[in-house]
Amino acid sequence: DIQMTQSPSSMSASLGDRVTITCQASQDIGNNLIWFQQKPGKSPRPMIYYATNLANGVPSRFSGSRSGSDYSLTISSLESEDMADYHCLQYKQYPLTFGSGTKLEIK
Amino acid sequence: EVQILETGGGLVKPGGSLRLSCATSGFNFNDYFMNWVRQAPGKGLEWVAQIRNKNYNYATYYAESLEGRVTISRDDSKSSVYLQVSSLRAEDTAIYYCTRAFDYWGQGVMVTVSS
Repeated sequence: DIQMTQSPSSMSASLGDRVTITCQASQDIGNNLIWFQQKPGKSPRPMIYYATNLANGVPSRFSGSRSGSDYSLTISSLESEDMADYHCLQYKQYPLTFGSGTKLEIK
Repeated sequence: EVQILETGGGLVKPGGSLRLSCATSGFNFNDYFMNWVRQAPGKGLEWVAQIRNKNYNYATYYAESLEGRVTISRDDSKSSVYLQVSSLRAEDTAIYYCTRAFDYWGQGVMVTVSS
């Protein structure tokens, strides 16, 4: 199985900060990765498709990148509405696997 | 408008079984792979199962942690997908989400396994 190691598990940042969350894949997944945002009591919302492509309606302060087996979700300037849990998902190989999630809090 | 609605959750005793339903509308259901994803209270997301569409012979795939206890199926005539889970354990307690190719998600249905 492909393991997705997500870090950090939680973080606190100030409004306006640049925030980066990372998922490291244990095997090659190409760009077959989705980033999700999940607010309390809500369903996950896809933010980034195919590692780097912004989903429709997602603010441009969000971006996705890849460096080798490391995949990053970056928020360029944190806003209060970005407080949420973030998850990555690899869909290169079955079983599909999620990262363990990152809880992002606002200082 | 894409709509996804899960039903069938509830309180089940350990060892029991449950069939979750996911009714969809607003898109051509036949075109899509459908998935179930679950989330235990306070935990992360866990992919459960996928069923491909007719073009892929309705192939099914399962999480290893559930294989043998879970069956995903679909009825294209009803634009619906189902998840049958048996031999339920306390650790199966979770919100179960139905999702169309991970782009649209239902609101989820709670399954609680407890005596």
